[in-house]
Amino acid sequence: NAGVTQTPKFQVLKTGQSMTLQCAQDMNHEYMSWYRQDPGMGLRLIHYSVGAGITDQGEVPNGYNVSRSTTEDFPLRLLSAAPSQTSVYFCASGRNPYYEQYFGPGTRLTVT
Amino acid sequence: KQEVTQIPAALSVPEGENLVLNCSFTDSAIYNLQWFRQDPGKGLTSLLLIQSSQREQTSGRLNASLDKSSGRSTLYIAASQPGDSATYLCAVGGNYGQNFVFGPGTRLSVLP
Repeated sequence: NAGVTQTPKFQVLKTGQSMTLQCAQDMNHEYMSWYRQDPGMGLRLIHYSVGAGITDQGEVPNGYNVSRSTTEDFPLRLLSAAPSQTSVYFCASGRNPYYEQYFGPGTRLTVT
Repeated sequence: KQEVTQIPAALSVPEGENLVLNCSFTDSAIYNLQWFRQDPGKGLTSLLLIQSSQREQTSGRLNASLDKSSGRSTLYIAASQPGDSATYLCAVGGNYGQNFVFGPGTRLSVLP
């Protein structure tokens, strides 16, 4: 039981490049979410999903896209990277929003 | 809008002390509150989840209490150890677009 996995662990992008951060969970959780963590700002919700085929925006969705074609996977796409997107990104999952949330190890992204 | 604060921002104690970390929230209409631990460069590990109908939860040397009416939760750590050194975050779940609102964290150092 791997829990929540994220790849890659580290990534450096140039401004304007696109990429996808991968997130997978093997706990059959319906609810999955993406957060970014910045110094002095805490964790902020980017997008979330309550089940396959259903996604919605969080607090800071601009510049990011998500899709949820399976229960297990919830990738986060950066469409055109900007330096303001330099951050640590965490994926989380839970049975639903009102149960315990499990976090992945994070992806540290630098945009130059 | 729900706002979560944590006091103190940082705490340094000698090994063996009992200590209390505080979490305050502005909107008492919450579903649950979760305490997490984050080690440097790592993801978040769930410690305790308290549902809104509960007053406290215990796990080993950890005890978390919840007072919804006053908008406060405390995390009590008994007989602290150097391995407890980490950042502790609280997160409040409620009707905020089905997500958690995180506090900024308390950075704890337990000195041998």
